Amino acid sequence: QVQLVQSGAEVKKPGASVKVSCKASGYTFSGYYMHWVRQAPGQGLEWMGWIHPNSGGTRYAQRFQGWVTMTRDTSINTVYMELNRLKLDDTAVYYCARDGDSGYYYDNWGQGTLVTVSS
Amino acid sequence: QSVLTQPPSVSAAPGQKVTISCSGSSSNIGATYVSWYQQLPGAAPKLLIYDNDQRPSGIPDRFSGSKSGTSATLGITGLQTGDEADYYCGAWDTSLSGGVFGGGTKLTVL
Repeated sequence: QVQLVQSGAEVKKPGASVKVSCKASGYTFSGYYMHWVRQAPGQGLEWMGWIHPNSGGTRYAQRFQGWVTMTRDTSINTVYMELNRLKLDDTAVYYCARDGDSGYYYDNWGQGTLVTVSS
Repeated sequence: QSVLTQPPSVSAAPGQKVTISCSGSSSNIGATYVSWYQQLPGAAPKLLIYDNDQRPSGIPDRFSGSKSGTSATLGITGLQTGDEADYYCGAWDTSLSGGVFGGGTKLTVL
């Protein structure tokens, strides 16, 4: 079965960077876009962008451009999301989510990684 | 503010039916497919409905979805206490070239 396993919780200071990983298994890694979605405490879901594991191509939400980098390592079926210049309000749970077959939904989600930004 | 608009909360008694609305625009719901997600407390979102009205394998037929114009609706019948969760609608926005979500609706089963 499809599994997305994310790296553990992180605590960072303002201005630092964080890199979250998402290891995929149970399907052909290169065949599906992977999205990143974040959720601030008590808030809704926010789409950050996607990466295509085969080509490495990316598209980021406008508000994250120049600030987020998504990469992949096909040798270990893992995608990464790095967020730079962290601010206090970047405190959130970050999810990776696999693209559905029609491309308009997210059919499998990682367990989430809590990133806490605190001085 | 979320691009898609949902009511903050809905409630109903066990065994009853509830609907959750999701309103968008011609660049998102009006142009693409709608999906719905259930998020139980402390858990990751889970896909409930995709392509407006399709249920993934394992999702009971108590859950249904529909779309009309720039709005969509999630229906849940035979409510159970285990259905208490936050529900989110999602779509692709062709103007933003990105994913968008509703602000979420908290379902309380009284």
